[in-house]
Amino acid sequence: EAEVAQSPRYKITEKSQAVAFWCDPISGHATLYWYRQILGQGPELLVQFQDESVVDDSQLPKDRFSAERLKGVDSTLKIQPAELGDSAMYLCASSRGGNQPQHFGDGTRLSIL
Amino acid sequence: AQKVTQAQTEISVVEKEDVTLDCVYETRDTTYYLFWYKQPPSGELVFLIRRNSFDEQNEISGRYSWNFQKSTSSFNFTITASQVVDSAVYFCALSDPFSGGYNKLIFGAGTRLAVHP
Repeated sequence: EAEVAQSPRYKITEKSQAVAFWCDPISGHATLYWYRQILGQGPELLVQFQDESVVDDSQLPKDRFSAERLKGVDSTLKIQPAELGDSAMYLCASSRGGNQPQHFGDGTRLSIL
Repeated sequence: AQKVTQAQTEISVVEKEDVTLDCVYETRDTTYYLFWYKQPPSGELVFLIRRNSFDEQNEISGRYSWNFQKSTSSFNFTITASQVVDSAVYFCALSDPFSGGYNKLIFGAGTRLAVHP
C-alpha cells in the first residue's frame, strides 16, 4: 500500500456533476503534486504545491478545476462541472523538494458517464 | 522543449529472458535528472531510480541495471532474468530544476512489459 494516501479509489459520476479528490502526502513532505494520467499515456502535471502555495498550475484547466492545500498538509482537487474528457487516473505525489524522488499514491480512477 | 520518448509501446517476453526498455530524452539544459518508475496493475507509480546528468556511471540493483549515455541522450533500463512479477508499465521521466517549477517531471508514454511463464 502506498504511503501517500488518496481517496476515493474509484469514482463514477455523470457529466456536469462536481467531483472531489483528496490526498494526504508523506509526513514532512513539503512538495505536493497532482497529475492526470489518460489511459495509455504517461502522467501529466496539473498542479504543484510548495507548502500551501501553488508554484505551478500552468496545465490546470482553471475554468473547471481547482486545487487547494490550506494548511500545507493534505490537499483537495476539484472538478466542476465534470466533462466526458476528464475520465482518467488522478495521481497525487509528494517529495521533500528539490529533485528528490516523488512518491505516488494509488490514484483515483475517474469515469464520467 | 523537454521531451521523453519511449518508442517501445509493448514488449512480451518469456520468464528468465533479459529485456531492455529504451528511453531517449531531449533537453537544452546541462543539469537535469532522469527517473524510472514502475506502474503495476494496481496503479501506484513505484520509484526505481534517479540519476543526475553529471553521473554517467551505470548502476546495478539486483536484476535491474541502468545504462546512461549522455552522448546519445539515452537512459535505458535492463531487467535480467525477467520474472512474472516484473509485468507492469515502466515510465522514464525527466526533471529539469531550472524549468521554472520545482522538480516538474516530464514522463514518456510508457512501455508495457508482459512476462509470461
